[in-house]
Amino acid sequence: QVQLQESGPGLVKPSETLSLTCTVSGDSITSTYYWGWIRQPPGEGLEWIGTISHSGSTYYNPSLKSRVTISVDTSKNQFSLRLISVTAADTAVYYCARAHIVATDLFDYWGQGTLVTVSS
Amino acid sequence: EIVLTQSPATLSLSPGERATLSCGASQSVSSSYLAWYQQKPGLAPRLLIYGASSRATGIPDRFSGSGSGTDFTLTISRLEPEDSAVYYCQQYASSRSTFGQGTRLEIK
Repeated sequence: QVQLQESGPGLVKPSETLSLTCTVSGDSITSTYYWGWIRQPPGEGLEWIGTISHSGSTYYNPSLKSRVTISVDTSKNQFSLRLISVTAADTAVYYCARAHIVATDLFDYWGQGTLVTVSS
Repeated sequence: EIVLTQSPATLSLSPGERATLSCGASQSVSSSYLAWYQQKPGLAPRLLIYGASSRATGIPDRFSGSGSGTDFTLTISRLEPEDSAVYYCQQYASSRSTFGQGTRLEIK
C-alpha cells in the first residue's frame, strides 16, 4: 500500500521560502507514476500546485510557476516542494499525492497534509 | 484556465435518499477528464470517480458519475450517514488542472 508523508516547517515568515518534503513508502519514486503537490487554504477549496514525473519532468500551475520548484531525490524516495517569496496568501494545508496511472494530474493516493502558516 | 462551478453549494438530505451534485465547466473538458473527490473534515481528499464515470478502486457502486462536455454529475444513491462530506470536481484535461469550489453534503 502506497503511503505519503509530508514534512517541513509549519511556520514561514513573509518573503521567505517554503520548503516541504514528501516521503514515499510502498512504491518507488522512480516508478511510472507522477507525483504532485496540491494545497488548500483554511476553509477553502483545492489548488493544484504542480507535478513531477518519474524522470524529473515538471508541470506547474501557471499562477505559481514563477515561484515554484518541485524536485525528486531518488536516493531517499522523496520529492520536494519549494515556494519562494511567500505571503499570507500561501497559508494552506499542503498535500503531496501520487497520480493515477491514467493521468498525470489525477491523484489517487494522498498524504495526510501539513499546515503551513505564513506569518511574522 | 477552465473554471468549474459546482452546485448546489450545500445539500441537506436524509439517509436512504439520492444526492445529485453538479459540476459545470467554462469550456468543454476534453476526453471527459473529469474527476470527483470526497473530503471529510481534517482528512485528505479521496478519489471517487475519474474519466467522468469510472469508479476508483474500492469505491462502492452507490457512487456514480456521468456527463460530458461542460456538464457533469455525481450521483450518490441510498445515502448513508458517512457520506457527509465536501465533494469536489476536478478537470485534468488542460495543462492547468483546476478544482470546483465544492458542494457540502449534509446527512440529516
